[in-house]
Amino acid sequence: NAGVIQTPRHKVTGKGQEATLWCEPISGHSAVFWYRQTIVQGLEFLTYFRNQAPIDDSGMPKERFSAQMPNQSHSTLKIQSTQPQDSAVYLCASSLEDTQYFGPGTRLLVL
Amino acid sequence: DAKTTQPDSMESTEGETVHLPCSHATISGNEYIYWYRQVPLQGPEYVTHGLQQNTTNSMAFLAIASDRKSSTLILPHVSLRDAAVYHCILRVANQGGSAKLIFGEGTKLTVSS
Repeated sequence: NAGVIQTPRHKVTGKGQEATLWCEPISGHSAVFWYRQTIVQGLEFLTYFRNQAPIDDSGMPKERFSAQMPNQSHSTLKIQSTQPQDSAVYLCASSLEDTQYFGPGTRLLVL
Repeated sequence: DAKTTQPDSMESTEGETVHLPCSHATISGNEYIYWYRQVPLQGPEYVTHGLQQNTTNSMAFLAIASDRKSSTLILPHVSLRDAAVYHCILRVANQGGSAKLIFGEGTKLTVSS
């Protein structure tokens, strides 16, 4: 069991560029969650899919952020026109029932 | 989800048994008590969870008070690898809607040799 896989592990972008983050959930898990972690805000929920359908995106910024789950084997988080305040560790988690298992995160730095 | 209260930090020495407390006075009957831990540069790691009965696994023992208003994560014979921030989180079981985890500051456990 490889666990949740996130790619890339590190990404540096220039202000205004687009960033796409990938998450491969644990095989067989039906739910995928995205979180963001910064020193100032801590670990915050962004959005969540179950059986590929979006269920709750209450934590997603209203502009520039979008998430998709086109198939059961991966999800993407896209940030358009990145800003320095988007710099954070983006964490993906998957679950079969109640327990969520986290990936190692993608460290995004926007210069 | 109800709120939890944990000490900011605790210190221990290798080989000791560590008791990490968590207070959740307003817990609802259908809320699980989850524990995660996180070390720098890694995602949170699931430790254990319980509803009413004490639970044990290879990582820890979770003691839940009979009134469920508090719990204690017990780490036997800690090693340097157990140094982490430990989060106590309440989560409604079998949520049909949002199932997000709400993380607080947690307890930073320091282990010295």
